[in-house]
Amino acid sequence: QSALTQPASVSGSPGQSITISCTGTSSDIGSYNLVSWYQQHPGKAPKLIIYEVNKRPSGLSDRFFGSKSGNTASLTISGLQAEDEADYYCCSYSGTWVFGGGTKLTVL
Amino acid sequence: EVQLVESGGGLVQPGGSLRLSCAASGFTFSSNAMIWVRQAPGRGLEWVSSIRGSGDTTDYADSVKGRFTISRDDSKNTLYLQMNGLRAEDTAIYYCAKDRWVIPTGRFDYWGQGTLVTVSS
Repeated sequence: QSALTQPASVSGSPGQSITISCTGTSSDIGSYNLVSWYQQHPGKAPKLIIYEVNKRPSGLSDRFFGSKSGNTASLTISGLQAEDEADYYCCSYSGTWVFGGGTKLTVL
Repeated sequence: EVQLVESGGGLVQPGGSLRLSCAASGFTFSSNAMIWVRQAPGRGLEWVSSIRGSGDTTDYADSVKGRFTISRDDSKNTLYLQMNGLRAEDTAIYYCAKDRWVIPTGRFDYWGQGTLVTVSS
């Protein structure tokens, strides 16, 4: 049950696009299309933003895009806005569930 | 409106026990898998345990297996986490969350606000 690997931090300017990677193994991301992403603002509960690799919950902005290639999943946020500044976590099925270590997004 | 409200956290000595509760409302509780996720201070999210909507299947992280027990009472719309043999490394905010479906799919669409567990002498 090793955590998925995410970069500790990423940054971008308003209006730009950023991509957060989430690297696993052939036992988790590589084997299942059950990858989800969560956004967490300081002091708040996590919020689902992507499920099943690339699906968005109803009402969520289409600026958030999920994808997967091999053992790596990615979250792309386009048209960065100040309110996107938060921590982002990936999650995958692995027989049980495993989260990534989290990525802090800073909007410059 | 879906609501998940955790309770039962607090300060406990190493080796002690606590039972967390998660009161659910706004959806058909028995139809959804539920999970517990924890977050140590300043750290990332860690999946702890999950239970199917039917309650017949449970899973645990290796870090808590044999010490924690997840259960649900569908008549009370409540999820539980019995935590025994607590260790300092169990100190964290504990969140409950619901899955969209009766078996866990990773679509954890609603989360509670969390309850803090502190294990210290």
